Amino acid sequence: GNSVTQMEGPVTLSEEAFLTINCTYTATGYPSLFWYVQYPGEGLQLLLKATKADDKGSNKGFEATYRKETTSFHLEKGSVQVSDSAVYFCALTTGANNLFFGTGTRLTVIP
Amino acid sequence: DAGVTQSPTHLIKTRGQQVTLRCSPKSGHDTVSWYQQALGQGPQFIFQYYEEEERQRGNFPDRFSGHQFPNYSSELNVNALLLGDSALYLCASSLGGPGEFTGELFFGEGSRLTVL
Repeated sequence: GNSVTQMEGPVTLSEEAFLTINCTYTATGYPSLFWYVQYPGEGLQLLLKATKADDKGSNKGFEATYRKETTSFHLEKGSVQVSDSAVYFCALTTGANNLFFGTGTRLTVIP
Repeated sequence: DAGVTQSPTHLIKTRGQQVTLRCSPKSGHDTVSWYQQALGQGPQFIFQYYEEEERQRGNFPDRFSGHQFPNYSSELNVNALLLGDSALYLCASSLGGPGEFTGELFFGEGSRLTVL
């Protein structure tokens, strides 16, 4: 079956620290991988995606590389800001018009 | 350009009652998906509507049903409510024609249901 496992949170970092949120997956077929973000008081929104092995998705300074050999899609950012405080969800689809989400990781960045 | 809107934002019901949640998709989108997000968990897929029909369904009982209207808006109905149905219910819209699904869903802020 399809599933996504994320590192448990919450994660608290100081501003300008390096961020890694781990995500591994199990999927039938060849999934596309996503990171969604939920800012306080807002709906979930797509942060970045990668559709095949070795692709790197990037947006707003965040990056994640699709690693087929380790079935991973870890989210990274070199220098976090207070405005990055949110809940981050790793997700996958195998093209069946729906997404499988991880449990989410809450990030708090303190000044 | 309005995004995805959901109503109501909060509601409280008692066990055994029925509830209807509503969703208007982002302008130009023809597909609506519903997700259940329990506290501390990620969203779980309930079902998807396209061309006014249920196209795909997740692992949810028949107590969960839905409808899509000609204007693409949608309703989620839950009958015989259980305590375990307490959750945030998310509506997401997208383009749903053949080959159009890119994985990018546009979500509303959700309807928080509490069952007492």
